[in-house]
Amino acid sequence: DVKVTQSSRYLVKRTGEKVFLECVQDMDHENMFWYRQDPGLGLRLIYFSYDVKMKEKGDIPEGYSVSREKKERFSLILESASTNQTSMYLCASSFSGGITDTQYFGPGTRLTVL
Amino acid sequence: AQSVTQLGSHVSVSEGALVLLRCNYSSSVPPYLFWYVQYPNQGLQLLLKYTSAATLVKGINGFEAEFKKSETSFHLTKPSAHMSDAAEYFCAVSNQAGTALIFGKGTTLSVSS
Repeated sequence: DVKVTQSSRYLVKRTGEKVFLECVQDMDHENMFWYRQDPGLGLRLIYFSYDVKMKEKGDIPEGYSVSREKKERFSLILESASTNQTSMYLCASSFSGGITDTQYFGPGTRLTVL
Repeated sequence: AQSVTQLGSHVSVSEGALVLLRCNYSSSVPPYLFWYVQYPNQGLQLLLKYTSAATLVKGINGFEAEFKKSETSFHLTKPSAHMSDAAEYFCAVSNQAGTALIFGKGTTLSVSS
């Protein structure tokens, strides 16, 4: 079974802090994704990566950056956390980015910014 | 550009009743469609996906969905609801490049005994 793990299930940070969310997948997938989930808005894509050191902006990249130094690990960085970044963050991975590929999701990190 | 619309943010059924969750898509190219389920405090899990091989797609846990091009719909059904089906359900369409999924806003299914 594909396993996607996220470093924290719950995280509380203060406004202005630098926040790192880590995601690791164990199936040698090429593609990794970061989504943000908010009630009534569904999932929105923040960034995705199709290879090591490669990244593409999604629909809502403002205030976020990402890093992919190793194939299995994809990090989401909030350079200076703000209260409007309080949300559930979901990481996903897929094999090759083919149009019918299944994305496999981690359990999510619920981030609260005070 | 691709998009999906889920009709009804909340659906309530009784145990044993038919489950029908609605999804309509908009796409300028043949769409590839997915249904995911999210149980409380968990990530998303794939229920089923349409890849043009067959219009009626069977998924896990007794769910199925039918692709209807004329209605631009991909509704999710289950003949008999179970308490364990209570969850949030997301319809999604693959973008043209195959690089990301575009999700609907989700439908929360409640099942009462």
